[in-house]
Amino acid sequence: AQSVAQPEDQVNVAEGNPLTVKCTYSVSGNPYLFWYVQYPNRGLQFLLKYITGDNLVKGSYGFEAEFNKSQTSFHLKKPSALVSDSALYFCAVRDGGNTPLVFGKGTRLSVIA
Amino acid sequence: GAVVSQHPSRVICKSGTSVKIECRSLDFQATTMFWYRQFPKQSLMLMATSNEGSKATYEQGVEKDKFLINHASLTLSTLTVTSAHPEDSSFYICSARRPSTDTQYFGPGTRLTVL
Repeated sequence: AQSVAQPEDQVNVAEGNPLTVKCTYSVSGNPYLFWYVQYPNRGLQFLLKYITGDNLVKGSYGFEAEFNKSQTSFHLKKPSALVSDSALYFCAVRDGGNTPLVFGKGTRLSVIA
Repeated sequence: GAVVSQHPSRVICKSGTSVKIECRSLDFQATTMFWYRQFPKQSLMLMATSNEGSKATYEQGVEKDKFLINHASLTLSTLTVTSAHPEDSSFYICSARRPSTDTQYFGPGTRLTVL
């Protein structure tokens, strides 16, 4: 069965600094990896995904993530954080096929002005 | 990105009543939709996978007779919480998979409060 680990409950970063939100995964087949963002009392917004191709994936709002097969990681990054990036971030994985997404527990990002 | 709507956004009901939540994919056809439940400050818990024209597949521990799912068309899935109790109070989020991009898009969620 697939699983996702987000080791940090909370990440704090100063505005303008680079940010990283960590994610590692476990699947038996080929991973389909996703990042979503959730604002308070809202659903999830899709940020980016990796299915195949380049290991560095660029997504919405200046975010990017790098797929690292050897480390089974898919960390979310942004070169310069904005206060408006403060939200709850979820990493998710599918084990290919038609399986549903499995989510990590989420990481709360706080960007301080 | 694709648009998924959910209705209602908030509902308050008395214990023992039933509540229906609708999920629609507005700009694509979704053969597969998903229903999740999210507790405060926690991750999303998959409740069931809804396939158009067939019975839903429920995750272990989710009562299918309590959480009725119907996926009558390629753009609509409904979740009915039957005989709701206060412990059913939660944030329910639906999701639809867009076949062309193989990506799940999420609705804005429904906050259910059972008094």
